[in-house]
Parts: sequence; structure tokens; C-alpha cells
Amino acid sequence: DAKTTQPTSMDCAEGRAANLPCNHSTISGNEYVYWYRQIHSQGPQYIIHGLKNNETNEMASLIITEDRKSSTLILPHATLRDTAVYYCIVRVFFGGSNYKLTFGKGTLLTVNP
Amino acid sequence: SQTIHQWPATLVQPVGSPLSLECTVEGTSNPNLYWYRQAAGRGLQLLFYSVGIGQISSEVPQNLSASRPQDRQFILSSKKLLLSDSGFYLCAWSVPGTVGTSPLHFGNGTRLTVT
Repeated sequence: DAKTTQPTSMDCAEGRAANLPCNHSTISGNEYVYWYRQIHSQGPQYIIHGLKNNETNEMASLIITEDRKSSTLILPHATLRDTAVYYCIVRVFFGGSNYKLTFGKGTLLTVNP
Repeated sequence: SQTIHQWPATLVQPVGSPLSLECTVEGTSNPNLYWYRQAAGRGLQLLFYSVGIGQISSEVPQNLSASRPQDRQFILSSKKLLLSDSGFYLCAWSVPGTVGTSPLHFGNGTRLTVT
């Protein structure tokens, strides 16, 4: 399974951009990068995913390096409600086109007022 | 739209008692279904996944089992709970056969405390 490495914790000021890095140097050519976040005592929430192109949606932007060995999740204007654990995950196929996600410990992002 | 339901939200059970957690998905057919566990202060651990009725794959040998009696129903069970079974249990689903376009969708979880 492709493994990801994330910092344990990060701080960000409210209203500023939060940039969360992730290393996935063993990623294979057909594996996607997914980002989720988990607010305390809730189920993880899907944020965004990508293969090799940069992606943007209403929640965040995902920047993937050209060699695909790392990526950065960007929350453009962090709010206090964005305080959560953020997981960077590489999808693994387990048969046909079905897949599973293996979660690490993630990054605890704390947005400060 | 698709929804996922998990119950109960919290559960306190004595050691040695049985367990049954249920998860149902609405609004989709033949979903991939997953059970994850999160121990205190740790990441999510995949326990079981299923690609169809009666098809269960186990990721980690343990005191738990899973069953899928219906297309959109996924059950996590134990005959005798251990203290180490305490944790936050999450059910999730994804659309099968959609390469790279379908994320996992999680329920709100069950917090199990074994005493």
C-alpha cells in the first residue's frame, strides 16, 4: 500500500490560508490522493481528491506535484470551524475497480482567532 | 440522494457480552461497504469491507465479525466483547466500479465503551 506522511499538527490564523502538506513518494501511477477531515467525535468528511492535475472545489484546493510524490491541501480562508484532523490518503485497489482507503494519523489543524 | 445510517450512537457494554452494530445505506445499489475502528488518539483502522451480499473481507484478525445479509445492510458483531474492543466504530460506503470518482462516505459512528 502506498504510504503517506503528514505533520502531526499545524496552526493557522483565522482568515489566513491553511496549507497542509502530504508526502506519498511510493504512489503508483493509477493511485488517487484523497483528503478527508474529522472533527472530534464525528465521522470523517470527504474534502477533495485528485490524480495528477490540481483540483478545486467549494471546500479546498489540491495541489499535486508533477512527480506526484507529494501534495498540498489548501483551505483558502480558514475559519475556526476548520479545526479538525486532516487525513491524506492514497487509494488502494483491491479487485476490479473497487478500492479501499487506509487512514494514517493525519494532521491536527488548529485555527486560532 | 444517498444517506448512511449507523446506530446506536453510543453504547456501553460489559466484557464478555455480545455486540451488534448496524449500518444501512439508502439511495444507492450494490455499494461497497466498510467498517472502520478508531481507538482513542489513533488513526482509523479498516476492519472489514464488502463488495456484495455475503462477501466479506477481513483486514485484521480480531474478536469481531461482519455480515452483509442485504445489499445495503452491514452488521458488525462480536460474541464476547473484550476491553480492547472499545473505540469509535465507523461505517462507510462507496460507489463500486467508478474508478477514481467516488469517495468514501462515512456515517456518524458508534462510540463503544467496554467496561
